Amino acid sequence: GAVVSQHPSWVICKSGTSVKIECRSLDFQATTMFWYRQFPKQSLMLMATSNEGSKATYEQGVEKDKFLINHASLTLSTLTVTSAHPEDSSFYICSSRGSNYGYTFGSGTRLTVV
Amino acid sequence: AQKITQTQPGMFVQEKEAVTLDCTYDTSDQSYGLFWYKQPSSGEMIFLIYQGSYDEQNATEGRYSLNFQKARKSANLVISASQLGDSAMYFCAMREGRSFGNEKLTFGTGTRLTIIP
Repeated sequence: GAVVSQHPSWVICKSGTSVKIECRSLDFQATTMFWYRQFPKQSLMLMATSNEGSKATYEQGVEKDKFLINHASLTLSTLTVTSAHPEDSSFYICSSRGSNYGYTFGSGTRLTVV
Repeated sequence: AQKITQTQPGMFVQEKEAVTLDCTYDTSDQSYGLFWYKQPSSGEMIFLIYQGSYDEQNATEGRYSLNFQKARKSANLVISASQLGDSAMYFCAMREGRSFGNEKLTFGTGTRLTIIP
């Protein structure tokens, strides 16, 4: 079945630094990648949708300069949290369409900014 | 307005009993898809079951079935013979938008299910 590998699983960084999260599709071509954010005990909120080779589409209220998304190939999409602050601490998870109707999720990245 | 509503923040169920998790949705699209995902404490999202808006029969996947009532806009998940391993967060989600890459998956607030031995 379709697999999306997400790294790192968890990361702790200092305030002001940048963190890159990678999502790789292992056995299929991920034309579109969805990036979500999940605060503790809350639902998944869509941050942005990236299509291979084009600029990402961000949801209302999401700062595109802070959350940089790159989808340069059909198997790799990255989310970079720039100048991270404690309020950016969250669970980030990517997803791609793995079958004709289903979505495959990465295992998520727990970001803690100290 | 909420597109996906899950009214049960938490549920406790005795092992081996059946449980129904409620989900109602709101959309003006004729073509849409409804999903249920399980999220254990590890955070991964595990796909459980899918129902297309044009599917006439309720979807079933092993112990999972989806009670789809289109007129009521409800898509409740039924888990039969619950097991301790079913304890997790459960999310209902809806896909809107037809064109590939232009779709959007919206999640409900989730229901935390705890199975009691």
